[in-house]
Amino acid sequence: AQKITQTQPGMFVQEKEAVTLDCTYDTSDPSYGLFWYKQPSSGEMIFLIYQGSYDQQNATEGRYSLNFQKARKSANLVISASQLGDSAMYFCAMREVRMNSGYSTLTFGKGTMLLVSP
Amino acid sequence: DTGVSQDPRHKITKRGQNVTFRCDPISEHNRLYWYRQTLGQGPEFLTYFQNEAQLEKSRLLSDRFSAERPKGSFSTLEIQRTEQGDSAMYLCASSLEGGDYEILTVNTEAFFGQGTRLTVV
Repeated sequence: AQKITQTQPGMFVQEKEAVTLDCTYDTSDPSYGLFWYKQPSSGEMIFLIYQGSYDQQNATEGRYSLNFQKARKSANLVISASQLGDSAMYFCAMREVRMNSGYSTLTFGKGTMLLVSP
Repeated sequence: DTGVSQDPRHKITKRGQNVTFRCDPISEHNRLYWYRQTLGQGPEFLTYFQNEAQLEKSRLLSDRFSAERPKGSFSTLEIQRTEQGDSAMYLCASSLEGGDYEILTVNTEAFFGQGTRLTVV
């Protein structure tokens, strides 16, 4: 089963509008972290925002906010006031605590390509 | 520049040749990760190091792949007898985290390099 599911292969938005990128996850661990990364055409993965499973409030970082619905196991990224420079691939990722080894690594979804038009 | 750097940025090689990639993490970071990303997919975990110790290897890491981090600083990823299926972007990431089992951290973000794009012809 997919750990991270991003159902939108591509999204289009006009400049200055808000856009929501969907992410659902699957885990049975009580402690986990959810991350969003941006990957422009240059290839580098740029960290955007983090949400912990025990966090009571939704995370926000500037124009980025995370709509965390724990019961639904969703962690959607909301970008407000889109800019042309936001055009990129966006990846949702999860990090779990591995009870057998105590170590955790990031598991990524397949990504959503966001295109911002003038 | 104090970010994660990878070298080379691009590599084209003939099938059957060996290739080696290098990753220099952020200097104080104790964890270093290797990921592979194929076209249209998200990065897939290959292996990671805590200082110089290689703590976990994915089943994606076949016998032809070997990674080292000899002094707990830079790391190399070698692919022997390359195959066309090895063509991908190889991403390195680093993070600073508590070690061992006492501190289990999930909230530390990993900082990624720009990757090495490998093409096997």
